[in-house]
Amino acid sequence: EPEVTQTPSHQVTQMGQEVILRCVPISNHLYFYWYRQILGQKVEFLVSFYNNEISEKSEIFDDQFSVERPDGSNFTLKIRSTKLEDSAMYFCASIANPGGRAYNEQFFGPGTRLTVL
Amino acid sequence: AQKVTQAQTEISVVEKEDVTLDCVYETRDTTYYLFWYKQPPSGELVFLIRRNSFDEQNEISGRYSWNFQKSTSSFNFTITASQVVDSAVYFCALSDFDNNAGNMLTFGGGTRLMVKP
Repeated sequence: EPEVTQTPSHQVTQMGQEVILRCVPISNHLYFYWYRQILGQKVEFLVSFYNNEISEKSEIFDDQFSVERPDGSNFTLKIRSTKLEDSAMYFCASIANPGGRAYNEQFFGPGTRLTVL
Repeated sequence: AQKVTQAQTEISVVEKEDVTLDCVYETRDTTYYLFWYKQPPSGELVFLIRRNSFDEQNEISGRYSWNFQKSTSSFNFTITASQVVDSAVYFCALSDFDNNAGNMLTFGGGTRLMVKP
């Protein structure tokens, strides 16, 4: 069964450093998402991406964050200068068709746990 | 704005008991999707069910059942004859129906279910 993969599973970094979290969505999917879950809290939407551009973003997704689809398979989330409060689990998700009756669920990756020291 | 409320932060039951997890949502959309996800201790998000707002038929899948009441904006989840393996955090989530720009999920705060042997 196809699945979304994420690397690394755990990333430890120093405050102020840049990190790149990587995701490989399911191959025929067109819409991609990043979500964040601070430990013990709910899952929060960060950004959605379609046709090589951001389609929607939340208040959390400020100028420190960026996303990119550098090739036909990877989807990355970059945090330019990490802060302590960026420590969280980051989930990537993809979907073939999010709209209307053809909708199927977002497939989530296993997550990357980011720890900022 | 969309909102999902899971009033029960933590529930503890003894194995074989039935348990119901509550979910109440708010949305201005007339059509939308509702979801339940399971997050076991390993951290991944496991899709359980998707329900369209125009389909109020309740669903049963093995020991799991879902009660969708549009009149009260609730989408409750019942586990019959609970097992220790059901111990996890359960999230209810809401998504737009026809928003081609994003269809991001809005999650509730989650309910931690502990099933004791």
